[in-house]
Amino acid sequence: GAVVSQHPSWVICKSGTSVKIECRSLDFQATTMFWYRQFPKQSLMLMATSNEGSKATYEQGVEKDKFLINHASLTLSTLTVTSAHPEDSSFYICSAQEGKGPWGQETQYFGPGTRLLVL
Amino acid sequence: SQKIEQNSEALNIQEGKTATLTCNYTNYSPAYLQWYRQDPGRGPVFLLLIRENEKEKRKERLKVTFDTTLKQSLFHITASQPADSATYLCALGTSYDKVIFGPGTSLSVIP
Repeated sequence: GAVVSQHPSWVICKSGTSVKIECRSLDFQATTMFWYRQFPKQSLMLMATSNEGSKATYEQGVEKDKFLINHASLTLSTLTVTSAHPEDSSFYICSAQEGKGPWGQETQYFGPGTRLLVL
Repeated sequence: SQKIEQNSEALNIQEGKTATLTCNYTNYSPAYLQWYRQDPGRGPVFLLLIRENEKEKRKERLKVTFDTTLKQSLFHITASQPADSATYLCALGTSYDKVIFGPGTSLSVIP
């Protein structure tokens, strides 16, 4: 149980284009979803927190007009990188909280990640 | 400012030994602490959660301790196997809505 998928797993795009990444909880309803960014050999940096039906809460320094998050349902959240530039190249990972379970509502289940390369 | 530190260098141990990873934090009062495993190019996988009022938690070959006085958590893998080789992340949270991740420790178990 508690499986999270991401699509696509990798994407290469030209500078100036927009890229959409989907995050789905496959076998549970996610009360909250998170979007992270990770650079090589570095830890996860939280970008934003989203709850279904409400606006995402962005971390300091993250441009909300650049990284659009839509949490359309309890099983789907999307991250759109608008007008992507080479510096946006990174590994993007989503996670979802089920809100219950033996390890508590705090446990996050992560997707496999999406590697973005902007040329 | 809040800071989370893990073993600064990669940890190499012999198969069968116990691996001990450290997570220290400052300027923070977490309600709980989690440990995750991350393999290269993959998302983290949840391993264990321990709350501030708990001293120790176990799951199969894994054991985690939490000392809020020392502001430290220790993560142990007993009878380590090459398949345990990965990066291990500690994460601290004060509520259920988000956590802060440490930089991670790379563990290599040598056959």
